[in-house]
Amino acid sequence: GNSVTQMEGPVTLSEEAFLTINCTYTATGYPSLFWYVQYPGEGLQLLLKATKADDKGSNKGFEATYRKETTSFHLEKGSVQVSDSAVYFCALSEINNNDMRFGAGTRLTVKP
Amino acid sequence: GAVVSQHPSRVICKSGTSVKIECRSLDFQATTMFWYRQFPKQSLMLMATSNEGSKATYEQGVEKDKFLINHASLTLSTLTVTSAHPEDSSFYICSASARRLAGRDEQYFGPGTRLTVT
Repeated sequence: GNSVTQMEGPVTLSEEAFLTINCTYTATGYPSLFWYVQYPGEGLQLLLKATKADDKGSNKGFEATYRKETTSFHLEKGSVQVSDSAVYFCALSEINNNDMRFGAGTRLTVKP
Repeated sequence: GAVVSQHPSRVICKSGTSVKIECRSLDFQATTMFWYRQFPKQSLMLMATSNEGSKATYEQGVEKDKFLINHASLTLSTLTVTSAHPEDSSFYICSASARRLAGRDEQYFGPGTRLTVT
């Protein structure tokens, strides 16, 4: 079945540091890939997505590229801010939209 | 666009009582709604999927008689936790999808409801 594996946290960085959160997936078909962010006490917000191989999703300085050859969708940001502190979830969904799978989540803390 | 709301945001109830959580799509018609459960510091676990006007499809291990889901209209789904017990305390998140919005494979998430059973 489909699954998502994320690097375990927590991750603690200083402000302006470079961020990478690894995500790899297993899928039988051609899924869409997502990164969601969850701030304390809140629901999930879509951060970015990619729907096919080699697509790059980007938003708020975050980027992730859909790599079919390595089945990966790593999240990167060149310079993190304190306000980026949150939990980040990698997810995939097949075209039928009824099978969204989430990674375990990675908690990021950015210190000033 | 594509806003999903949940009500209430927090609820505390006594053991043995029932609690209803509402999930609404505010600016679109949701053909499918999903209910997730999230334990502290863990990922989301899909509980059930509901399509408007039909019975919900529950994931394995989820008690359908305990977690009653009603999707009465294209903008509203409700989750009722019946005879709640402390182990039902959790963060419940709904999401909604609509095929006419931004492709068929995107779900829009509500802000979540924190249930505490005492």
